[in-house]
This record gives sequence, structure tokens and C-alpha cells, in this order.
Amino acid sequence: DTEVTQTPKHLVMGMTNKKSLKCEQHMGHRAMYWYKQKAKKPPELMFVYSYEKLSINESVPSRFSPECPNSSLLNLHLHALQPEDSALYLCASSQGTMGRQETQYFGPGTRLLVL
Amino acid sequence: AQSVTQPDIHITVSEGASLELRCNYSYGATPYLFWYVQSPGQGLQLLLKYFSGDTLVQGIKGFEAEFKRSQSSFNLRKPSVHWSDAAEYFCAVGALNNDMRFGAGTRLTVKP
Repeated sequence: DTEVTQTPKHLVMGMTNKKSLKCEQHMGHRAMYWYKQKAKKPPELMFVYSYEKLSINESVPSRFSPECPNSSLLNLHLHALQPEDSALYLCASSQGTMGRQETQYFGPGTRLLVL
Repeated sequence: AQSVTQPDIHITVSEGASLELRCNYSYGATPYLFWYVQSPGQGLQLLLKYFSGDTLVQGIKGFEAEFKRSQSSFNLRKPSVHWSDAAEYFCAVGALNNDMRFGAGTRLTVKP
């Protein structure tokens, strides 16, 4: 099973709302990632969690708050977003072996629209 | 930091014709290279990867890629394209800390 699931598939929110994106994998992977993808652009790395600890934060604004409550689950909490934050948010996971490049497996994404 | 260049923004090929998508990378150490495909509104599916060993890599859906260190290239090929291959193709280069960077992508259109 190489599946990464993401919920919801679509999300519309106002600039004052608080919402969360959820990502789940049951492959025993210990590294999980959030990417942001604007239309007709490549994915851009936002955060990396390794063994439930934040290891990379690509200078993402604090209105995005990641959380990794356990090795299977990754959340992205959203608060006071701007319309320019509208994008496809992709989650990925990999085995998490230290010091080795690995294959990342991607979920289908959550399409977010901020009004 | 590593980077990837995909020189072709959009390519159109006829169904049944051969395909080559270009990818050039920049990285100071041994590169870890990937090709992913993305259909509209979908996530990314891994086509193939190169970590080490044989420089000609076979992937899913009949795709292959060749790593050429002297040219810093990792071009993707398919001998005969199917209409279902129409999608966006991303080349990516990874580092040991799993920081992966994507190229801008090449959109493939398949003519009947």
C-alpha cells in the first residue's frame, strides 16, 4: 500500500476562518511533507517532519501551522489566510531513513480557495 | 542548493510518436533524480527515479530515463506515446536531507 490520503479534497474559507488540512499514511513512513502548488507552477516545499519533529521550515508565514501528532498523521492548521494562499496543498511521505535520499509518495492534494 | 531546469514548457506530440522530455540539474554532490507526472487537479505520481547504479532507468507506463553526469541531464523518454500520457511532467532533484526541488514542469499534449 503506497497510499497517502488527504482530506478534505476541496476547501473554501474566508480570511477570518480557521481550518485544518489532514494527511494520513499507513506505510510506516517516518518523514512527512507539506508542499504548496500554485496553478501552472511546480510544488514548493513548505515543511518537513522527521520522526514527528519539524526538520525543515521553508520560511513559511505563521498563518500556516503544521502539526505531526503521530507518525501516521500530519495536519496543517490555517488561520487568517490571504487570497494569494489559494493553491493545491500536497502532502507526501517517505521512509525517513536518516542520511539517505528517499522516494516521496504524494497524496491527491487539497484544493484551497481563500475568499 | 540544488536546482532543476526543464527547458520545454509545452510539448505536443502525435499519438504513437516517440517522446523525449529534457531535464538539467545543478547539484554539488551526487544527485538523486526523479520524474513525476501530474494529471490536472491531481497529486504527483512517481514515474521513475535514479539514486545510483545503471544510468538507464526503467519506470512505469513504459517510460525510461537516462542519467548523464557529464551533461548534468536526466531526460525522460517513451518510444510510443498514448493519449493517456497527456499531463504535466516534473523532474526533481533531491538532497540527503530529503529537500526535493522541482523543475517548472513540461506540459505534454498528445494529438490524435
